[in-house]
Amino acid sequence: DTGVSQDPRHKITKRGQNVTFRCDPISEHNRLYWYRQTLGQGPEFLTYFQNEAQLEKSRLLSDRFSAERPKGSFSTLEIQRTEQGDSAMYLCASSRPPGLAGNTQYFGPGTRLTVL
Amino acid sequence: AQKITQTQPGMFVQEKEAVTLDCTYDTSDQSYGLFWYKQPSSGEMIFLIYQGSYDEQNATEGRYSLNFQKARKSANLVISASQLGDSAMYFCAMREGMGNTGKLIFGQGTTLQVKP
Repeated sequence: DTGVSQDPRHKITKRGQNVTFRCDPISEHNRLYWYRQTLGQGPEFLTYFQNEAQLEKSRLLSDRFSAERPKGSFSTLEIQRTEQGDSAMYLCASSRPPGLAGNTQYFGPGTRLTVL
Repeated sequence: AQKITQTQPGMFVQEKEAVTLDCTYDTSDQSYGLFWYKQPSSGEMIFLIYQGSYDEQNATEGRYSLNFQKARKSANLVISASQLGDSAMYFCAMREGMGNTGKLIFGQGTTLQVKP
């Protein structure tokens, strides 16, 4: 299998700018997840998709954040009007449909965002 | 509310020796899954091992084994014959239910350093 890929790997932006990240899941995985990880902490769930449907969003996902998965394949995560508190690693993961082998989530390399 | 606790911020182990990383969890669900991931300094989360709540035997994957004690709500990771490449951050994670929401709850992580 080709693993989960994310682009870009690093993003530096100025406060107030918009940024967009892309995630390409493992091809046969219909579930896709976004997590955020700040320094020294474990990842925190943001949102997930089953195919193109966004089925759950965390309270962490403020109205400045929007995620899409228009064709049930790749996903984008956009942050509008970035703030310094948005600086973090944004991780994407994908998994098989429910009921199979624990639905193990496989992660991409992450996008490290720095907001100046 | 579900919670994962990793009480060891940092651990040292001598190369070729075994090490145990602790993880306790809290959930009211009868059906759940427990995962361990490794995160090297590069940032990517690497899946190591999975244990389902109904699995009667402890999971093993090569040098990794999971010491699952359901009554004590613990899921410790045992790494045998440590290697220098095992130096990384290790996260314990839990998913409630068997694939319903799919989101993972992570602990704070344990940094493992393997000494030559």
